Amino acid sequence: QSALTQPPSASGSPGQSVTISCTGTSSDVGGYNYVSWYQQHPGKAPKLIIYEVTKRPSGVPDRFSGSKSGNTASLTVSGLQAEDEGDYYCNSYAGSNNFVFGTGTKVTVL
Amino acid sequence: EVQLVESGGGLVQPGGSLRLSCAASGFTFSGPYMDWVRQAPGQGLEWIGRIRNKAGGYTADYAASVKGRFTVSRDDSKNSLYLQMNSLKTEDTAVYYCARDWNTALDYWGQGTLVTVSS
Repeated sequence: QSALTQPPSASGSPGQSVTISCTGTSSDVGGYNYVSWYQQHPGKAPKLIIYEVTKRPSGVPDRFSGSKSGNTASLTVSGLQAEDEGDYYCNSYAGSNNFVFGTGTKVTVL
Repeated sequence: EVQLVESGGGLVQPGGSLRLSCAASGFTFSGPYMDWVRQAPGQGLEWIGRIRNKAGGYTADYAASVKGRFTVSRDDSKNSLYLQMNSLKTEDTAVYYCARDWNTALDYWGQGTLVTVSS
């Protein structure tokens, strides 16, 4: 199972929006509504910020939103803040009781 | 407060074995599925396995990269999750995280334990 494809980096100024793509196939992203997104700060464990494509866990700001079109899922961070800087990973159910993560995107707040 | 604490990491030679543990607290451990995820130094996340609960028969699923070498188990009476790793390779060097599986999303993670496979 190959990793989902994400851009290596993304950036924006405070207050701006940044969108991260996560491209898979019809066997994973396109085939199921089980895409989740994780934020990871250096030296820390990942944190769930989006599940089932569009849903936000309790406590996650509504600045974070998710969507999906075909085989590509997207995470948008609106109103960028300094604390949003970090690595972001998508994850999808890939059928046959397997899961696959994306390659990861480093977000920089300029 | 949900807490997951991994232990058991360390240095092991190629071909060797290691058993990781994950102690859970703050929730009914017997309820959810539980997963292991690893992260090689400077690299991305890799899902490696998941174990179902009692209703799911305690069955486990594995990534192709570890199938046949790694075994996930759990002891609900001890609120503990385990990862038995055999035939370790240098490419298994990583921080290993346990995580609570919540409808296929991983909603709580431990702090991770480092496994280094080297001669």
